Amino acid sequence: SAVISQKPSRDICQRGTSLTIQCQVDSQVTMMFWYRQQPGQSLTLIATANQGSEATYESGFVIDKFPISRPNLTFSTLTVSNMSPEDSSIYLCSVVGKETQYFGPGTRLLVL
Amino acid sequence: AQSVTQLDSQVPVFEEAPVELRCNYSSSVSVYLFWYVQYPNQGLQLLLKYLSGSTLVESINGFEAEFNKSQTSFHLRKPSVHISDTAEYFCAVISPGGNTPLVFGKGTRLSVIA
Repeated sequence: SAVISQKPSRDICQRGTSLTIQCQVDSQVTMMFWYRQQPGQSLTLIATANQGSEATYESGFVIDKFPISRPNLTFSTLTVSNMSPEDSSIYLCSVVGKETQYFGPGTRLLVL
Repeated sequence: AQSVTQLDSQVPVFEEAPVELRCNYSSSVSVYLFWYVQYPNQGLQLLLKYLSGSTLVESINGFEAEFNKSQTSFHLRKPSVHISDTAEYFCAVISPGGNTPLVFGKGTRLSVIA
Protein backbone atom coordinates (compact mmCIF):
# COMPACT_ATOMS: atom_id res chain seq x y z
CA SER A 1 0.00 0.00 0.00
CA ALA A 2 0.96 3.65 -0.33
CA VAL A 3 0.55 6.38 2.24
CA ILE A 4 -0.10 9.81 0.79
CA SER A 5 -0.02 13.13 2.59
CA GLN A 6 -1.16 16.48 1.31
CA LYS A 7 -0.50 20.05 2.41
CA PRO A 8 -2.37 22.14 3.22
CA SER A 9 -5.34 20.14 4.43
CA ARG A 10 -7.59 23.15 3.89
CA ASP A 11 -7.34 26.81 3.00
CA ILE A 12 -9.47 29.86 2.42
CA CYS A 13 -8.18 32.12 -0.34
CA GLN A 14 -9.12 35.36 -2.00
CA ARG A 15 -10.07 35.44 -5.64
CA GLY A 16 -7.23 36.25 -7.98
CA THR A 17 -4.59 34.59 -5.83
CA SER A 18 -2.85 31.23 -6.32
CA LEU A 19 -2.43 28.22 -4.06
CA THR A 20 0.11 25.43 -4.36
CA ILE A 21 -0.87 22.03 -3.01
CA GLN A 22 1.81 19.53 -2.10
CA CYS A 23 1.53 15.76 -2.34
CA GLN A 24 4.03 13.40 -0.74
CA VAL A 25 4.04 9.60 -1.17
CA ASP A 26 5.91 7.20 1.07
CA SER A 27 7.19 5.13 -1.85
CA GLN A 28 8.46 5.76 -5.36
CA VAL A 29 5.74 5.78 -7.98
CA THR A 30 5.85 6.45 -11.67
CA MET A 31 2.43 7.93 -12.17
CA MET A 32 0.56 10.37 -9.97
CA PHE A 33 -2.88 11.76 -10.61
CA TRP A 34 -4.60 14.93 -9.52
CA TYR A 35 -8.39 14.96 -9.09
CA ARG A 36 -10.90 17.64 -8.29
CA GLN A 37 -14.11 17.06 -6.39
CA GLN A 38 -16.48 19.98 -6.58
CA PRO A 39 -19.15 20.30 -3.86
CA GLY A 40 -21.63 17.46 -4.09
CA GLN A 41 -19.95 16.03 -7.17
CA SER A 42 -17.85 13.02 -8.10
CA LEU A 43 -14.13 13.02 -8.72
CA THR A 44 -12.87 14.48 -11.96
CA LEU A 45 -9.37 13.80 -13.20
CA ILE A 46 -7.38 16.99 -13.76
CA ALA A 47 -4.09 15.57 -15.00
CA THR A 48 -1.58 12.74 -14.92
CA ALA A 49 1.89 13.63 -13.70
CA ASN A 50 4.88 11.48 -14.64
CA GLN A 51 8.31 12.19 -13.31
CA GLY A 52 10.57 13.73 -15.93
CA SER A 53 7.89 14.74 -18.39
CA GLU A 54 5.15 17.30 -18.81
CA ALA A 55 1.85 16.54 -17.14
CA THR A 56 -0.98 15.34 -19.34
CA TYR A 57 -4.18 17.32 -18.84
CA GLU A 58 -7.73 16.14 -19.30
CA SER A 59 -10.22 17.98 -21.41
CA GLY A 60 -11.31 21.18 -19.73
CA PHE A 61 -8.11 21.64 -17.73
CA VAL A 62 -5.11 23.66 -18.90
CA ILE A 63 -1.57 24.07 -17.71
CA ASP A 64 -1.83 27.83 -17.24
CA LYS A 65 -4.63 27.36 -14.72
CA PHE A 66 -3.34 24.17 -13.04
CA PRO A 67 0.46 23.98 -13.40
CA ILE A 68 1.90 20.75 -12.02
CA SER A 69 5.42 19.89 -10.97
CA ARG A 70 6.84 16.40 -10.51
CA PRO A 71 10.45 16.81 -9.44
CA ASN A 72 10.95 13.24 -8.22
CA LEU A 73 9.21 9.90 -7.79
CA THR A 74 7.67 10.69 -4.38
CA PHE A 75 6.49 14.28 -4.68
CA SER A 76 4.24 16.49 -6.79
CA THR A 77 2.61 19.90 -6.57
CA LEU A 78 -0.55 21.27 -8.10
CA THR A 79 -1.06 25.02 -8.30
CA VAL A 80 -4.50 26.53 -8.66
CA SER A 81 -3.85 29.87 -10.35
CA ASN A 82 -5.85 33.08 -10.45
CA MET A 83 -8.54 31.52 -8.33
CA SER A 84 -12.24 32.22 -8.56
CA PRO A 85 -15.09 30.95 -6.35
CA GLU A 86 -15.73 28.23 -8.93
CA ASP A 87 -12.39 26.70 -7.94
CA SER A 88 -13.73 25.91 -4.47
CA SER A 89 -13.31 22.14 -4.32
CA ILE A 90 -11.46 19.29 -2.74
CA TYR A 91 -8.24 18.52 -4.59
CA LEU A 92 -6.84 15.02 -4.25
CA CYS A 93 -3.66 13.40 -5.39
CA SER A 94 -3.57 9.70 -6.10
CA VAL A 95 -1.19 6.93 -7.08
CA VAL A 96 -1.73 3.55 -8.65
CA GLY A 97 -0.74 0.51 -6.64
CA LYS A 98 -0.52 -3.10 -7.68
CA GLU A 99 -4.26 -3.71 -7.73
CA THR A 100 -5.89 -0.49 -6.67
CA GLN A 101 -5.48 3.25 -6.49
CA TYR A 102 -4.60 5.15 -3.34
CA PHE A 103 -5.79 8.63 -2.48
CA GLY A 104 -4.47 11.39 -0.32
CA PRO A 105 -6.73 12.96 2.31
CA GLY A 106 -7.46 15.89 0.04
CA THR A 107 -7.07 19.66 0.24
CA ARG A 108 -10.29 21.54 0.90
CA LEU A 109 -10.16 24.88 -0.85
CA LEU A 110 -12.63 27.70 -0.40
CA VAL A 111 -12.26 30.75 -2.61
CA LEU A 112 -13.99 33.93 -1.52
CA ALA B 1 -13.03 4.32 -23.25
CA GLN B 2 -14.48 3.22 -19.96
CA SER B 3 -17.46 4.69 -18.18
CA VAL B 4 -19.41 4.07 -15.01
CA THR B 5 -23.08 4.76 -14.44
CA GLN B 6 -24.56 4.95 -10.97
CA LEU B 7 -28.26 4.87 -11.55
CA ASP B 8 -29.34 6.52 -8.30
CA SER B 9 -28.02 9.86 -7.13
CA GLN B 10 -29.72 9.57 -3.74
CA VAL B 11 -31.01 6.58 -1.79
CA PRO B 12 -32.88 7.15 1.48
CA VAL B 13 -33.45 4.05 3.57
CA PHE B 14 -34.61 3.32 7.08
CA GLU B 15 -32.19 1.92 9.63
CA GLU B 16 -31.96 -1.91 9.62
CA ALA B 17 -33.52 -2.10 6.16
CA PRO B 18 -31.64 -3.64 3.21
CA VAL B 19 -30.11 -1.46 0.52
CA GLU B 20 -28.76 -1.88 -2.98
CA LEU B 21 -26.70 0.79 -4.75
CA ARG B 22 -26.55 0.16 -8.46
CA CYS B 23 -23.51 0.45 -10.69
CA ASN B 24 -23.09 -0.41 -14.35
CA TYR B 25 -19.89 -0.06 -16.33
CA SER B 26 -18.89 0.06 -19.95
CA SER B 27 -15.54 -1.19 -21.20
CA SER B 28 -14.15 -2.98 -24.22
CA VAL B 29 -11.46 -4.66 -22.13
CA SER B 30 -11.32 -6.51 -18.84
CA VAL B 31 -11.56 -4.32 -15.78
CA TYR B 32 -11.08 -4.13 -12.08
CA LEU B 33 -14.08 -2.74 -10.19
CA PHE B 34 -14.19 -0.80 -6.96
CA TRP B 35 -16.53 0.79 -4.49
CA TYR B 36 -15.22 3.77 -2.54
CA VAL B 37 -16.99 5.46 0.37
CA GLN B 38 -16.74 9.04 1.51
CA TYR B 39 -18.18 9.84 4.92
CA PRO B 40 -19.26 13.43 5.59
CA ASN B 41 -16.26 15.75 5.61
CA GLN B 42 -13.82 12.88 5.27
CA GLY B 43 -11.51 11.51 2.58
CA LEU B 44 -12.12 8.74 0.11
CA GLN B 45 -11.82 5.18 1.43
CA LEU B 46 -11.74 1.92 -0.47
CA LEU B 47 -14.74 -0.19 0.54
CA LEU B 48 -14.22 -3.29 -1.60
CA LYS B 49 -12.85 -4.39 -4.94
CA TYR B 50 -13.22 -7.06 -7.58
CA LEU B 51 -10.09 -8.11 -9.42
CA SER B 52 -10.71 -11.73 -10.41
CA GLY B 53 -11.95 -15.02 -9.01
CA SER B 54 -15.12 -15.16 -6.97
CA THR B 55 -17.66 -12.72 -8.31
CA LEU B 56 -18.95 -11.94 -4.83
CA VAL B 57 -16.71 -9.69 -2.75
CA GLU B 58 -17.28 -8.48 0.78
CA SER B 59 -16.15 -5.64 2.99
CA ILE B 60 -15.41 -5.77 6.68
CA ASN B 61 -18.46 -3.72 7.60
CA GLY B 62 -21.12 -5.94 6.02
CA PHE B 63 -21.30 -4.62 2.47
CA GLU B 64 -20.99 -6.95 -0.49
CA ALA B 65 -20.89 -6.50 -4.24
CA GLU B 66 -21.34 -8.98 -7.04
CA PHE B 67 -19.61 -8.74 -10.39
CA ASN B 68 -21.96 -9.68 -13.20
CA LYS B 69 -20.12 -9.74 -16.50
CA SER B 70 -23.15 -10.43 -18.66
CA GLN B 71 -24.99 -7.46 -17.22
CA THR B 72 -21.81 -5.36 -16.80
CA SER B 73 -22.88 -4.56 -13.28
CA PHE B 74 -21.26 -4.34 -9.87
CA HIS B 75 -24.11 -3.53 -7.49
CA LEU B 76 -23.40 -2.88 -3.82
CA ARG B 77 -25.66 -4.39 -1.17
CA LYS B 78 -26.08 -4.53 2.57
CA PRO B 79 -28.79 -6.59 4.28
CA SER B 80 -29.22 -4.22 7.22
CA VAL B 81 -27.91 -0.64 7.25
CA HIS B 82 -26.90 1.51 10.20
CA ILE B 83 -27.00 5.23 10.73
CA SER B 84 -23.21 5.21 10.44
CA ASP B 85 -23.48 3.99 6.83
CA THR B 86 -24.72 7.43 5.78
CA ALA B 87 -22.17 8.52 3.19
CA GLU B 88 -21.45 9.06 -0.48
CA TYR B 89 -20.62 5.87 -2.36
CA PHE B 90 -18.63 5.87 -5.59
CA CYS B 91 -18.31 3.04 -8.06
CA ALA B 92 -15.10 3.06 -10.12
CA VAL B 93 -13.39 1.06 -12.85
CA ILE B 94 -9.80 0.67 -13.97
CA SER B 95 -7.98 -1.37 -16.57
CA PRO B 96 -5.52 -3.95 -15.20
CA GLY B 97 -1.92 -2.93 -15.66
CA GLY B 98 -1.82 0.24 -13.60
CA ASN B 99 -1.23 2.69 -16.40
CA THR B 100 -4.59 4.39 -16.42
CA PRO B 101 -6.44 6.16 -13.61
CA LEU B 102 -9.72 5.19 -12.06
CA VAL B 103 -12.88 6.31 -13.77
CA PHE B 104 -15.57 7.20 -11.25
CA GLY B 105 -19.31 7.19 -11.36
CA LYS B 106 -21.19 10.28 -10.20
CA GLY B 107 -21.80 8.81 -6.78
CA THR B 108 -24.82 7.76 -4.75
CA ARG B 109 -25.68 9.49 -1.53
CA LEU B 110 -26.98 6.95 0.97
CA SER B 111 -29.00 8.49 3.76
CA VAL B 112 -29.98 6.17 6.60
CA ILE B 113 -33.01 7.34 8.54
CA ALA B 114 -33.60 6.41 12.16
